[in-house]
Amino acid sequence: GAVVSQHPSRVICKSGTSVKIECRSLDFQATTMFWYRQFPKKSLMLMATSNEGSKATYEQGVEKDKFLINHASLTLSTLTVTSAHPEDSSFYICSAPSSGAATDTQYFGPGTRLTVL
Amino acid sequence: QKEVEQNSGPLSVPEGAIASLNCTYSDRGSQSFFWYRQYSGKSPELIMFIYSNGDKEDGRFTAQLNKASQYVSLLIRDSQPSDSATYLCAVNARGNQGGKLIFGQGTELSVKP
Repeated sequence: GAVVSQHPSRVICKSGTSVKIECRSLDFQATTMFWYRQFPKKSLMLMATSNEGSKATYEQGVEKDKFLINHASLTLSTLTVTSAHPEDSSFYICSAPSSGAATDTQYFGPGTRLTVL
Repeated sequence: QKEVEQNSGPLSVPEGAIASLNCTYSDRGSQSFFWYRQYSGKSPELIMFIYSNGDKEDGRFTAQLNKASQYVSLLIRDSQPSDSATYLCAVNARGNQGGKLIFGQGTELSVKP
């Protein structure tokens, strides 16, 4: 299957700092990528759809000024958690459809575990 | 009604048995159906996808789709302790929306040696 990478895999930061998470499609181009967060023992929660060359589409209740998304190229999307607080501590996962067609399979990155002290 | 519903479990089966995981969805226009496996602390990994009514087999896994009943299932034959994980059912969002998927809450499977 297609390969999606994320960096960093784990980050610990102080409250008030900003954290950038990168999501890369390694062997395919992705005009669309998705960002999820997951709390322990809970299901995936879609945060936003990252669109190459245009603004991200945020799900209801997700603050776009807090979770900045930039889809800089066909293989890279970044999520920046601005002014992070302890309640932002979570497992952040990105995914990408393998070829961009509407019904194509999504492949997930390995995730980034964020801990805000 | 949730868009994609799964029994959260835990579902416990003995090693070697068949594990049956079920999922229902609300949008009759859905076209693509996926099963992902997620181990604790890891991200989801794709097991199977199915688009057409009927069965689709891949090794010990069989996905079954019944669009009339809006029902999709995953059977795991000869269950192994290594199959113990949370299984997520996903369905393409209304109007596809660029590949967006709607996930169920997941079913936790425990395979006992």
